[in-house]
Amino acid sequence: EDKVVQSPLSLVVHEGDTVTLNCSYEVTNFRSLLWYKQEKKAPTFLFMLTSSGIEKKSGRLSSILDKKELFSILNITATQTGDSAVYLCARGENDMRFGAGTRLTVKP
Amino acid sequence: DVKVTQSSRYLVKRTGEKVFLECVQDMDHENMFWYRQDPGLGLRLIYFSYDVKMKEKGDIPEGYSVSREKKERFSLILESASTNQTSMYLCASRRQGSYGYTFGSGTRLTVV
Repeated sequence: EDKVVQSPLSLVVHEGDTVTLNCSYEVTNFRSLLWYKQEKKAPTFLFMLTSSGIEKKSGRLSSILDKKELFSILNITATQTGDSAVYLCARGENDMRFGAGTRLTVKP
Repeated sequence: DVKVTQSSRYLVKRTGEKVFLECVQDMDHENMFWYRQDPGLGLRLIYFSYDVKMKEKGDIPEGYSVSREKKERFSLILESASTNQTSMYLCASRRQGSYGYTFGSGTRLTVV
């Protein structure tokens, strides 16, 4: 069965810290890997990665994919309390499968 | 603004009841999905539908069924609700061939 594994499951940092969230996957016929941020309600889309080594960036968030080693990381620099959320990684096939998520708490 | 709307935000049902969770999207998307989300387990796929009247089982279909009679509406049915179906249920839709999913706000179901 295709698996998506995220680590750590939870993380507590202080404002201004930099965090790295990990996502590893075991899938056949890989097409894409997606990152979502979930606060109280629906997950909202952050990044979609299809090619190795190409960094996607949006403000303080960035993500990169390593297709050879089958993992992706999501970096958040200069964290703020508004970054507190569950970050979800998913492999994007015909039916999207998610990891368990990383709960990030940013303390003032 | 494109939307996926789930009819109830919170729902409390009794064990053994038949429960309908409704999801409507206004984007003319072909694909629709039902997930449940539990602490430590992430989002798990229950059922999905590629188009009207089509349905496919996901990873955890037991105890659930679905209905897709119209393109915009995808219903999740709990035939006989049980306490282990207490969860957050999320609906999502996607245009065929694209990668971007749009999620609804979720229905938190409690079965007592």
